[in-house]
Amino acid sequence: EAGVTQSPRYAVLQEGQAVSFWCDPISGHDTLYWYQQPRDQGPQLLVYFRDEAVIDNSQLPSDRFSAVRPKGTNSTLKIQSAKQGDTATYLCASSPGTGVYEQYFGPGTRLTVL
Amino acid sequence: GDSVTQTEGPVTVSESESLIINCTYSATSIAYPNLFWYVRYPGEGLQLLLKVITAGQKGSSRGFEATYNKETTSFHLQKASVQESDSAVYYCALVKNSNNRIFFGDGTQLVVKP
Repeated sequence: EAGVTQSPRYAVLQEGQAVSFWCDPISGHDTLYWYQQPRDQGPQLLVYFRDEAVIDNSQLPSDRFSAVRPKGTNSTLKIQSAKQGDTATYLCASSPGTGVYEQYFGPGTRLTVL
Repeated sequence: GDSVTQTEGPVTVSESESLIINCTYSATSIAYPNLFWYVRYPGEGLQLLLKVITAGQKGSSRGFEATYNKETTSFHLQKASVQESDSAVYYCALVKNSNNRIFFGDGTQLVVKP
């Protein structure tokens, strides 16, 4: 069974540029999560979906960050006008439900904003 | 708020020595939190090591064990005899069972010397 895949694996931007991250969850998993992990910190939830619906985006900096999952499968996280403070690894995870299920994590995208 | 505090790394031990990584949690908005340990081995994604969903119970995996202590709000990770292959970053996590939202600690890097 294929795991969670993410692309790109690395991104380097200048401040003010935009970037998109893509995530393909495990087939059949209806719940998808995006996390931001700054260096030497634990992952912090940004947003999560059940199918195509956003369930919780309260931690998403909505003025520059957006996330979609239009068909309830793949998902895209976009940062408009990146800032140096956005430098972090962005992790995608999926699970088969929103009960206490194990979340399966992708390898992450390491973003550096210069 | 809801948070997790764990031993600050790196923690360095010699092969075959015992290990304890401390984890304490605060669950102000979660009536019955679930407690997990995740691990990230070098070059790999974050993966579940063990979980306990009931206070007073112990979870174990790969020689590691942790007991959910509601009185001391702790979930320390222990192993009697570590191996070089245990070198990794370990994350203690608090899980809200109503929506599977995870609150991670900042991680503890474990270095096992041969």
